[in-house]
Amino acid sequence: DAGVTQSPTHLIKTRGQHVTLRCSPISGHKSVSWYQQVLGQGPQFIFQYYEKEERGRGNFPDRFSARQFPNYSSELNVNALLLGDSALYLCASSRETGTYEQYFGPGTRLTVT
Amino acid sequence: GQNIDQPTEMTATEGAIVQINCTYQTSGFNGLFWYQQHAGEAPTFLSYNVLDGLEEKGRFSSFLSRSKGYSYLLLKELQMKDSASYLCASSSGAGSYQLTFGKGTKLSVIP
Repeated sequence: DAGVTQSPTHLIKTRGQHVTLRCSPISGHKSVSWYQQVLGQGPQFIFQYYEKEERGRGNFPDRFSARQFPNYSSELNVNALLLGDSALYLCASSRETGTYEQYFGPGTRLTVT
Repeated sequence: GQNIDQPTEMTATEGAIVQINCTYQTSGFNGLFWYQQHAGEAPTFLSYNVLDGLEEKGRFSSFLSRSKGYSYLLLKELQMKDSASYLCASSSGAGSYQLTFGKGTKLSVIP
């Protein structure tokens, strides 16, 4: 089975622009979570979605939004990009929200200049 | 609030045993995770503890004390490939597993 896939792999944007990151969970997984990992830090929780509904949100500004589609794939959108948004954005999928084991994708490396 | 503390760096010798400690303060705590992350790669799941005690899985073991807000990851028979960052994460949220990660412990295994 294919693992969690994310696109694009790398992305360079300018301050003030908008970005959309994409994630496809493992087949059969219904829950997707997004994390931001700044270099040298642990991942920080942004959102969790299950069955297209938001189940949790971390301490991030409203510039960050996400959604989950009927096929369980997900998008993370970030508006009005700041230099501090430069990070590795990780997507993790799990079978259900009540299932503890999350599988991480390879991430999207976002650089804001 | 959520707070996870773990050492920043550790060095150990190939073949030895190393213990990586983690303390946490998490509202609505429902479990403690350990992940391994090699440089430039995604985290991979190592262990999950929800009850007090030791969970053993091959060369890796994880311990949890809920009353003390304390966990450790024990790595035995260290190999060079074990050089990586080890992330402690607590989970919270009823019926879900929203992870709060520590900053990670960078383990260097030397010959």
